[in-house]
Amino acid sequence: GENVEQHPSTLSVQEGDSAVIKCTYSDSASNYFPWYKQELGKRPQLIIDIRSNVGEKKDQRIAVTLNKTAKHFSLHITETQPEDSAVYFCAASTGSGYSTLTFGKGTMLLVSP
Amino acid sequence: NAGVTQTPKFRILKIGQSMTLQCTQDMNHNYMYWYRQDPGMGLKLIYYSVGAGITDKGEVPNGYNVSRSTTEDFPLRLELAAPSQTSVYFCASKDRDIGANVLTFGAGSRLTVL
Repeated sequence: GENVEQHPSTLSVQEGDSAVIKCTYSDSASNYFPWYKQELGKRPQLIIDIRSNVGEKKDQRIAVTLNKTAKHFSLHITETQPEDSAVYFCAASTGSGYSTLTFGKGTMLLVSP
Repeated sequence: NAGVTQTPKFRILKIGQSMTLQCTQDMNHNYMYWYRQDPGMGLKLIYYSVGAGITDKGEVPNGYNVSRSTTEDFPLRLELAAPSQTSVYFCASKDRDIGANVLTFGAGSRLTVL
């Protein structure tokens, strides 16, 4: 089955800095890669996703890049703010209706004012 | 539109007790999932269902059972609670449409087994 590795497990940055979280996956059939944000005590919520036919996707301060050859994808957050502090999960799946998501172990991002 | 509703939010069980975590969604989603979240371990899939009457095992199904008699409800049953089942449990759902891969999560149920 699919295996998703996520690094780092914790990341501390100063407000205004950029943050990068990296994930690798094992199944070459995977073609859908979402990122979920989970604030303390809350439910995970989708913040951005990318499909394998796209190399990069941006949404305001967040972006995701995908390298299918190397089987890795990354989340980039620019101009970080304290409200970005949360646990971020990457995931992968084959993207079909019947497929299930395999999640990474998560990255705790701490943004200091 | 309440989304995905889980009950209870918190529960303490004694070893060997049984209980059911309830999950219901009002979005007419065909696909429903149960995940457990342990500190530093991400989200692990326990069971999932692609429609009423159809369920399948995920990555960590041992010690759990599910049923899906209606589109709306997907309860998770713990028959003989063990300390290893102490975790936060999330129910999630998504639309059947092949382009709609977004999971909608419930608020979670924190279970402690003592």
